[in-house]
Amino acid sequence: QVQLQESGPGLVRPSETLSLTCTVSGGSVSSFYWSWIRQPPGKGLEWIGYIYYTGSSNYNPSLKSRVTMSMDTSKNLFSLRLNSVTAADTAMYYCARVAGWTPEDAFDIWGQGTRVTVSS
Amino acid sequence: EIVLTQSPGTLSLSPGERATLSCRASQSVSNNFLAWYQQRPGQAPRLLIFGASNRAAGIPDRFSGSGSGTDFTLTITRLEPEDFAVYYCQQYGSSPITFGQGTRLEIK
Repeated sequence: QVQLQESGPGLVRPSETLSLTCTVSGGSVSSFYWSWIRQPPGKGLEWIGYIYYTGSSNYNPSLKSRVTMSMDTSKNLFSLRLNSVTAADTAMYYCARVAGWTPEDAFDIWGQGTRVTVSS
Repeated sequence: EIVLTQSPGTLSLSPGERATLSCRASQSVSNNFLAWYQQRPGQAPRLLIFGASNRAAGIPDRFSGSGSGTDFTLTITRLEPEDFAVYYCQQYGSSPITFGQGTRLEIK
């Protein structure tokens, strides 16, 4: 079955760039749309955006100026970059598979999440 | 963007009882593109319901979703111990995708 695994630094300094990778196993990253979602400690969920193997992407307007998503089909993974981070970006970051054939849909498979803390 | 408001914030019930969770949207959700998730402590969210009333694969039939437009409900009949968790609604009818703030279902 398809599994997702996030990876990246657990600590990022303020004003620097957060970089995370989601490795897909048990399926092809070229077959679906993929998203990033985050959850600040003790709070709810925030959609960050999606990426497709064609390069098509869309980001939450609240983060759009700082977010870039990319994909490496040869390695079966996709990535998130968030620049100019502040303490407000401290969160659990999840990658997830978009369930349907449209880019903005429910999320049927999630990674276990990776915790990122922004602190000096 | 569409704001989703979930109520109650916390629901205290006993195993075997019925739970009714509400999700209200600030404007009509296109095509009733509304999903529900369960999140247990230390785990990622799990998709329960999509399209307002369709159970995801492997979800027990004690979970059901209903509603349309701006008012949606998740019902859990005969609560099991593993059902006590936080539940989120999500709309995907309009961009950006948004989530409700969650309802915590706790053991009474």
